[in-house]
Amino acid sequence: DTGVSQDPRHKITKRGQNVTFRCDPISEHNRLYWYRQTLGQGPEFLTYFQNEAQLEKSRLLSDRFSAERPKGSFSTLEIQRTEQGDSAMYLCASSRGASNTGELFFGEGSRLTVL
Amino acid sequence: GENVEQHPSTLSVQEGDSAVIKCTYSDSASNYFPWYKQELGKGPQLIIDIRSNVGEKKDQRIAVTLNKTAKHFSLHITETQPEDSAVYFCAASMAGTALIFGKGTTLSVSS
Repeated sequence: DTGVSQDPRHKITKRGQNVTFRCDPISEHNRLYWYRQTLGQGPEFLTYFQNEAQLEKSRLLSDRFSAERPKGSFSTLEIQRTEQGDSAMYLCASSRGASNTGELFFGEGSRLTVL
Repeated sequence: GENVEQHPSTLSVQEGDSAVIKCTYSDSASNYFPWYKQELGKGPQLIIDIRSNVGEKKDQRIAVTLNKTAKHFSLHITETQPEDSAVYFCAASMAGTALIFGKGTTLSVSS
């Protein structure tokens, strides 16, 4: 069990640039979640996948955000035309099963700084 | 949608004392209530959870209680130790919706 891995761990970009984050879940986990966390706040739900199907998207996920999980394994989160308000830690988590009522295993996050 | 409120935002205790963190939720359909601990530079990690068919659950020094009628649940840590210092998050969900987190409580245990 190698845990959830995220890449890159840190990303500094200029406003207006596009960024992409990658998440590799625990191999036998079929659910994958993206959360955003700003300083002093709890994780805010963005979206989640059951295998390759994107089942729920938060209102926080504006049109500039897109997430994919093309083969039901790793996932990418892309932010287009970044804004300073996008600066945050982007957390990925995975879980077993077909329900949202089970343990989430989080990665260590990808920290985005938009200058 | 679900909304989870958490109090207090910061909590300082002496080693050996008990710590209590309280949360309320808004959606009576929520039936799963986990607590996560986040240490600096790491992702949150599950420490205990409770489902709506249970009123209390214990795991060594940690316990969680749930009052479905009042829509609130609490985390109790007894005999606190310096390594309990971290940020604690409560959360709520149901089968068809993702986990919604509270804003967190920073617990500091001084020796």
